[in-house]
Amino acid sequence: GAGVSQSPRYKVAKRGQDVALRCDPISGHVSLFWYQQALGQGPEFLTYFQNEAQLDKSGLPSDRFFAERPEGSVSTLKIQRTQQEDSAVYLCASSLDTLGAGDEQYFGPGTRLTVT
Amino acid sequence: AQSVTQLGSHVSVSEGALVLLRCNYSSSVPPYLFWYVQYPNQGLQLLLKYTTGATLVKGINGFEAEFKKSETSFHLTKPSAHMSDAAEYFCAVSESSTLGRLYFGRGTQLTVWP
Repeated sequence: GAGVSQSPRYKVAKRGQDVALRCDPISGHVSLFWYQQALGQGPEFLTYFQNEAQLDKSGLPSDRFFAERPEGSVSTLKIQRTQQEDSAVYLCASSLDTLGAGDEQYFGPGTRLTVT
Repeated sequence: AQSVTQLGSHVSVSEGALVLLRCNYSSSVPPYLFWYVQYPNQGLQLLLKYTTGATLVKGINGFEAEFKKSETSFHLTKPSAHMSDAAEYFCAVSESSTLGRLYFGRGTQLTVWP
């Protein structure tokens, strides 16, 4: 079956531009996570959705970052007024369970954002 | 708060040699522990996980890891390396109290020499 898909795979933005990154989770998966992976680092948590509810956004680095999942399936991560430090790979992951800390998260291929 | 330390950002082994990737964690409650593998330009793939029960966990591609509470470790091993094992490996931890969010180590790049 289809896995987690993300688009675009690559995005180049000029500093100050707004960008929108899309995530299509596995059908039926309740939980959706966004992570940011800087070059040479492990992924870092940004935000978590259970269906359409954003239950944790403590990892969003600034108020320029905004995420939504209005119908409980597709999610969009929006970054306003991009800065060079936003350059990273943005990973989306979904899992079947709710509040299941031991549940496997299935990752998409990521969107590589480069801010020039 | 949880944290994960992966000792050695780069590990090189010969094909057929033992693979040992080290992971130590800190957690105030019993953790859930994971190893993920990342191939170039791909997402992370789960190798194995520990939740409860047997402390020796077997995963895909011949990998296994042992949860040692006393040492707060979850090292990943494979008896015989294969060229196709060359990739980046991430150890991660989560807790029920944090809704399943994963805390990752910085990763270990495994190189396998012929």
